[in-house]
Amino acid sequence: QVQLVESGGGLVKPGGSLRLSCAASGFTFSGYYMSWIRQAPGKGLEWISYIDSSGTTIYYADSVKGRFTISRDNAKNSLYLEMNSLRAEDTAIYYCTREGGYFYYWGQGTLVTVSS
Amino acid sequence: EIVLTQSPGTLSLSPGERATLSCRASQSVSNNYLAWYQQKPGQAPRLLIYGASNRATGIPDRFSGSGSGTDFTLTISRLEPEDFAVYYCQQYGSSPRTFGQGTRLEI
Repeated sequence: QVQLVESGGGLVKPGGSLRLSCAASGFTFSGYYMSWIRQAPGKGLEWISYIDSSGTTIYYADSVKGRFTISRDNAKNSLYLEMNSLRAEDTAIYYCTREGGYFYYWGQGTLVTVSS
Repeated sequence: EIVLTQSPGTLSLSPGERATLSCRASQSVSNNYLAWYQQKPGQAPRLLIYGASNRATGIPDRFSGSGSGTDFTLTISRLEPEDFAVYYCQQYGSSPRTFGQGTRLEI
């Protein structure tokens, strides 16, 4: 069965950096586009980044453009999100999702807290 | 970017009743590429409906989606206790993918 397991979240100071990982299993990872979606505490869902199956086409939400970098390693069945210049408003649960336009498969999420 | 506005913000109903949730888009959603999700506390969202009216695998038939263009509806025909949750719509007809702000369905 499809599994997406995020890791790498934690507490970081404003201006700091963090790298999230998502380990995928149960499907041919290299054949699917992937996205990161986040949810601030008590708030709604926000799509933040997308990467195609080969890693050549990438999109970002304006809110993270220039600060976050999405990447993937198909040999390791893994998706990554490098987050720099973190702000308090980046505090959220970050979900790894398999793309289909809509999002059928979600990880359990990893919490990122940006606070001094 | 397409802005999705969900109404009402909160819907208070009882088990056995019918729930009607609305999602209005700021511009037409291409190909009616509109999805609905259910989210319970502490859980990731669960896909209910895609393509405006197609139920995802394993979703009970009391859930149905309808609509086109800019106006979409999620209907739950007879509420079960486990249906009380937050519901989000999402469009994937154009970039960036966007979500509505959610409707809380409470007892």
